[in-house]
Amino acid sequence: GAGVSQSPSNKVTEKGKDVELRCDPISGHTALYWYRQSLGQGLEFLIYFQGNSAPDKSGLPSDRFSAERTGGSVSTLTIQRTQQEDSAVYLCASSSGNSGANVLTFGAGSRLTVL
Amino acid sequence: GDSVTQMEGPVTLSEEAFLTINCTYTATGYPSLFWYVQYPGEGLQLLLKATKADDKGSNKGFEATYRKETTSFHLEKGSVQVSDSAVYFCARGGSNYKLTFGKGTLLTVNP
Repeated sequence: GAGVSQSPSNKVTEKGKDVELRCDPISGHTALYWYRQSLGQGLEFLIYFQGNSAPDKSGLPSDRFSAERTGGSVSTLTIQRTQQEDSAVYLCASSSGNSGANVLTFGAGSRLTVL
Repeated sequence: GDSVTQMEGPVTLSEEAFLTINCTYTATGYPSLFWYVQYPGEGLQLLLKATKADDKGSNKGFEATYRKETTSFHLEKGSVQVSDSAVYFCARGGSNYKLTFGKGTLLTVNP
C-alpha cells in the first residue's frame, strides 16, 4: 500500500482480556518494527522483523507480549491478559532495508486503553 | 547502550520566533541521525536526517547539523509558524537496524 496501515486505531478493553493489533507495511518493505509510545516515555522499541524472522525481540516487556509476521508482510502484535500499564499507543513502522541509515515510515498507531 | 537525550518540553513560542531544540546522542560508532515530527492526531514522519559528521539536514525551513565533536544534532528554525506546533523526536540509527528515539519535545506556537 501507499503507507503503513494499522488497525484498530482505537481499542478499549478490560483488564485481563487479550488484544491483537495489526500492521500492514508498505509493499516491498522487508523490515518491520513495533514501538510503544507512552506519555512522557517517548518511543520504546518492542520488536524488529526482517522478512518473517524476528532477530530482535529484546524490547517486548513480558511474555504476555508476542508478535508474528507472515508472508513478509502483515504483522500482528498480541497482548495477552492485558494490564492497565499496557495502555499506550502502539506504533508500527517499516523500512526498505536493515541499516540504521534507513528511514522508517510509521503508521498512525493503535491507541490501547485498558480499563 | 545507545541513547538520545533531547530537551524537555513543552516549548511555547510566538509566531516568527527562533526555535532550537537540543539533542545529544551516545557516541558509539558512527550513527545516522534523524528528526521526526508528529503533528496532532497523526503518525510520526521524517523531518530531516544526516548520515555523517558535518552533514546538515534541512526541510521545511528546519535545519540540524551533525556535530561529532559535541555529539549533538540540534534542531533549529529561524521563524516558526503556528503550523509547526507538534512533537519533535530526535533519533539515532547506527550500524544495525534499530532507531533509538529521544522522549520527544512538544512545541506550541501561538499566533
